[in-house]
Amino acid sequence: DVKVTQSSRYLVKRTGEKVFLECVQDMDHENMFWYRQDPGLGLRLIYFSYDVKMKEKGDIPEGYSVSREKKERFSLILESASTNQTSMYLCASSILGLAGGLDTGELFFGEGSRLTVL
Amino acid sequence: AQKITQTQPGMFVQEKEAVTLDCTYDTSDPSYGLFWYKQPSSGEMIFLIYQGSYDQQNATEGRYSLNFQKARKSANLVISASQLGDSAMYFCAMRSLAGGFKTIFGAGTRLFVKA
Repeated sequence: DVKVTQSSRYLVKRTGEKVFLECVQDMDHENMFWYRQDPGLGLRLIYFSYDVKMKEKGDIPEGYSVSREKKERFSLILESASTNQTSMYLCASSILGLAGGLDTGELFFGEGSRLTVL
Repeated sequence: AQKITQTQPGMFVQEKEAVTLDCTYDTSDPSYGLFWYKQPSSGEMIFLIYQGSYDQQNATEGRYSLNFQKARKSANLVISASQLGDSAMYFCAMRSLAGGFKTIFGAGTRLFVKA
């Protein structure tokens, strides 16, 4: 079974702190993603990576950065946390799939990290 | 721009009845995939079903089926014989060739199954 592990389920940080959210997957997936989930907004993509040291901005990258030094690990960094970054953060991974039926490219998710910024 | 729309914030269904969760999508890419995920109250996201844009038949997985109407750009999830354990948030999602490797999600529908 694919396992995606996020380092912390719950975090409480103060405004201005630097926050690291770690994600590790054990299935040699090429793609890794960071989403944030907010009520009524669904999941919004922050950043994704399709290879080591490669990263692409998602829809809401402002205030975040990422790091992928090893294939299995994808880190989300909040350089200076703000209260509007209080949210549930979900990491996911997938194979390098092609849309349209060649393979599903389904996402495998971690359990989520609920971050509260005070 | 690509977009997923789920217009039902919440729905109720009686146990053992069927329920349809609506999803419409927008893309100009002819090659795309559509997904449904379930998120129980425990928080984990569970992949349910996939439909490729070139698939001729509607996808089915056990009690889940995807009513794919390409011309209308809709991909509704049908859950047959609802169970109490089906109470959860359900997200429709899409991934397209032109969109790269990104999967975009709708806002979700919360389903409540009544005993």
